[in-house]
Amino acid sequence: SQELEQSPQSLIVQEGKNLTINCTSSKTLYGLYWYKQKYGEGLIFLMMLQKGGEEKSHEKITAKLDEKKQQSSLHITASQPSHAGIYLCGADMGEETSGSRLTFGEGTQLTVNP
Amino acid sequence: NAGVTQTPKFQVLKTGQSMTLQCAQDMNHEYMSWYRQDPGMGLRLIHYSVGAGITDQGEVPNGYNVSRSTTEDFPLRLLSAAPSQTSVYFCASSYDREWNTEAFFGQGTRLTVV
Repeated sequence: SQELEQSPQSLIVQEGKNLTINCTSSKTLYGLYWYKQKYGEGLIFLMMLQKGGEEKSHEKITAKLDEKKQQSSLHITASQPSHAGIYLCGADMGEETSGSRLTFGEGTQLTVNP
Repeated sequence: NAGVTQTPKFQVLKTGQSMTLQCAQDMNHEYMSWYRQDPGMGLRLIHYSVGAGITDQGEVPNGYNVSRSTTEDFPLRLLSAAPSQTSVYFCASSYDREWNTEAFFGQGTRLTVV
């Protein structure tokens, strides 16, 4: 079983709608990263959360880490076709964190229909 | 600033052949790592390095070798390719062990073993 569970696995929304992607762990997360990937391309860094209760926003994307540091959510407001892609959460599951030694969830495939 | 450069982008191998996937970064990052991405499984860590001359195994190291003779380069060697190694391979790098840094990813190498 995955140490990081993402839900949903796929999501189809109409342009302009809001959506949320979740990332859940049974262990404490010492650094939680959100990446976006377009098909056939590399990973684009979105945000990194490290403190319980932390919330960060960039343009129309907001990410939160819960107080227990075991669950994170990524929320997109007023989705656009440019938001389409695969969203991946990654985390260092050990107490010593490194952005290059991550455990990833399976990813969420987002489709935004015009 | 090139970031993380992976070569080749595509490769087809016959079972039993050996090859080296190249990864180079020009950001003077200490940490480098290799992941493979398979459908439904997200990214899984193969090997990582915390600095020149130091490497360690990740989640799925079998069938792969690495070395880190310089800070810039972190090649991944397939000793005897198997169909199970068909995957997309990503190299990543990041700064030191401070955990508020992002990992920069290359564009990936799509490998098919026939």
